[in-house]
Amino acid sequence: DVKVTQSSRYLVKRTGEKVFLECVQDMDHENMFWYRQDPGLGLRLIYFSYDVKMKEKGDIPEGYSVSREKKERFSLILESASTNQTSMYLCASSPNIPGQQETQYFGPGTRLLVL
Amino acid sequence: AQSVAQPEDQVNVAEGNPLTVKCTYSVSGNPYLFWYVQYPNRGLQFLLKYITGDNLVKGSYGFEAEFNKSQTSFHLKKPSALVSDSALYFCAVRDGSGAGSYQLTFGKGTKLSVIP
Repeated sequence: DVKVTQSSRYLVKRTGEKVFLECVQDMDHENMFWYRQDPGLGLRLIYFSYDVKMKEKGDIPEGYSVSREKKERFSLILESASTNQTSMYLCASSPNIPGQQETQYFGPGTRLLVL
Repeated sequence: AQSVAQPEDQVNVAEGNPLTVKCTYSVSGNPYLFWYVQYPNRGLQFLLKYITGDNLVKGSYGFEAEFNKSQTSFHLKKPSALVSDSALYFCAVRDGSGAGSYQLTFGKGTKLSVIP
């Protein structure tokens, strides 16, 4: 089974802090994604990556950056956390195999509170 | 552009009754459609998908979904609901005609409550 892990389940940070959210997958997937989930808004894509050192902006990239130095690891960075970034953050991965690219496997999520 | 609508924020159903969670979509090309489920304090789990072929798709935990091109719908169904089916359900779509991007667009989610 695919396993996607996220470094923290719960995180509390102060406004202005730099925040790192880590995601690791163990199935050698090429594609990795970061979403945020907010009540009434569903999932919104922040950034995604098709390969090492490659990144693409999603629908809401403002205030975020990402890093993919190794295939299995995709990091989300909040350069200066703000209260409106309080949310649930979900990481996902998928293989670059025709017919399977869209089937994404999700981690358990990180619930971030910015005070 | 691609979009998904889940018209019901919440669906309540009695245990043992059939359940339906509605989803409609909009894409310019061929739709690839997905259902995911999220149990409390967990990530999303893949349930089923429609890419091509039979309009009725069967997935995990006894769920199925019917692709209806004329109504641009992909409703999730189960013949007999269980209390353990209580969760948040997300429909997602991708325009299968597009090249390159594997980006999914998710609906806002429907909370299913199965009442004992």
